[in-house]
Amino acid sequence: GAGVSQSPRYKVAKRGQDVALRCDPISGHVSLFWYQQALGQGPEFLTYFQNEAQLDKSGLPSDRFFAERPEGSVSTLKIQRTQQEDSAVYLCASSLGGRHEQYFGPGTRLTVT
Amino acid sequence: GESVGLHLPTLSVQEGDNSIINCAYSNSASDYFIWYKQESGKGPQFIIDIRSNMDKRQGQRVTVLLNKTVKHLSLQIAATQPGDSAVYFCAENGGATNKLIFGTGTLLAVQP
Repeated sequence: GAGVSQSPRYKVAKRGQDVALRCDPISGHVSLFWYQQALGQGPEFLTYFQNEAQLDKSGLPSDRFFAERPEGSVSTLKIQRTQQEDSAVYLCASSLGGRHEQYFGPGTRLTVT
Repeated sequence: GESVGLHLPTLSVQEGDNSIINCAYSNSASDYFIWYKQESGKGPQFIIDIRSNMDKRQGQRVTVLLNKTVKHLSLQIAATQPGDSAVYFCAENGGATNKLIFGTGTLLAVQP
């Protein structure tokens, strides 16, 4: 498809488990963003890549969160030792870069039990 | 699926009426603003954007107004349809960054 895709769409993890969330951006989009959305709230910025370079990770809530985009295309958000407060929808967005609109994927709903 | 509209401000309109959704943004250095529509279980969908050198921009059935003096953004939807029912978020770029800062969202409920 032509849009941003994310997998898995739903993930249930036991507290303490590690999870990996995948994002496939729109082909040709140099910028890739990860956001976290709690129920009933707006998305909150986590981290930003331009090609393979992680230019801003100021929104990552703890050192348990790690993101990578090694070849400047697909990105993975990894959460180690998941906690209940990590339960949220994780959204990926891509854009042409700069002040261009960001296109969002459907999100991965993470539930930590 | 779960609603993203829990505990959000709600605007209820009749089908065919015009809707106006308001947003106050926080950072006077922001120079790029976007409106998104989010339906339950889906990611935000781009509606329209505006840069700070403009005060109005029109799209298909939608108009965005920007008032930088009072840091206010509005989205006008003409002839609202049931398919417009969703949560609407405004977002700003916070100045010299590419990340978006989202507002709290407004649930638009269109009554047939």
